[in-house]
Amino acid sequence: AQSVTQPDIHITVSEGASLELRCNYSYGATPYLFWYVQSPGQGLQLLLKYFSGDTLVQGIKGFEAEFKRSQSSFNLRKPSVHWSDAAEYFCAVAPDMNRDDKIIFGKGTRLHILP
Amino acid sequence: GAGVSQSPSNKVTEKGKDVELRCDPISGHTALYWYRQSLGQGLEFLIYFQGNSAPDKSGLPSDRFSAERTGGSVSTLTIQRTQQEDSAVYLCASSLSSTSGGNNEQFFGPGTRLTVL
Repeated sequence: AQSVTQPDIHITVSEGASLELRCNYSYGATPYLFWYVQSPGQGLQLLLKYFSGDTLVQGIKGFEAEFKRSQSSFNLRKPSVHWSDAAEYFCAVAPDMNRDDKIIFGKGTRLHILP
Repeated sequence: GAGVSQSPSNKVTEKGKDVELRCDPISGHTALYWYRQSLGQGLEFLIYFQGNSAPDKSGLPSDRFSAERTGGSVSTLTIQRTQQEDSAVYLCASSLSSTSGGNNEQFFGPGTRLTVL
């Protein structure tokens, strides 16, 4: 069965430091991959998505993610975090977007920012 | 507004009571999803609608949970005889049908926080 693993439950970084949030998926073929962010009291917002093509994907708010097939990973990165980036981040996979299929979410990584 | 809306935003109920949670999807979105978010558990898929039909009910945790969608728009998630373990945030999302070309990004509502005492 398809699965998504976010190995870090909590991550703390200083404001201005770089960030990498890890995501690994389990699926035989190339899935469709997403990163969502959930700020306190807010709904989930799509940061970026990968369907095909260039493996380095640019998203909103200065985030990017790189799809690495050999590692079954889709890690989220930001070169310099801001205090407003404190939130929970979810990686998600859709095995086949041409079926009306559900998206499978990881358990999330909560990002804390030190001033 | 243009986004997905959910009501109520908060619901506190007593164990054993029934609750109804409502979701208004984005106009024109034919696909609608319900998820449950429990503390430390990520998002748990509950049910998916395409139009008024539910091809996938595999995530409903028990027969106390049911959902319907009428007119291809508003959906209601009903939990009967609520239990304390039902306490969670219930999220709704909508998307264009994937038959439009494999780009069915899901747009999420703010959620309903359910507390069962």
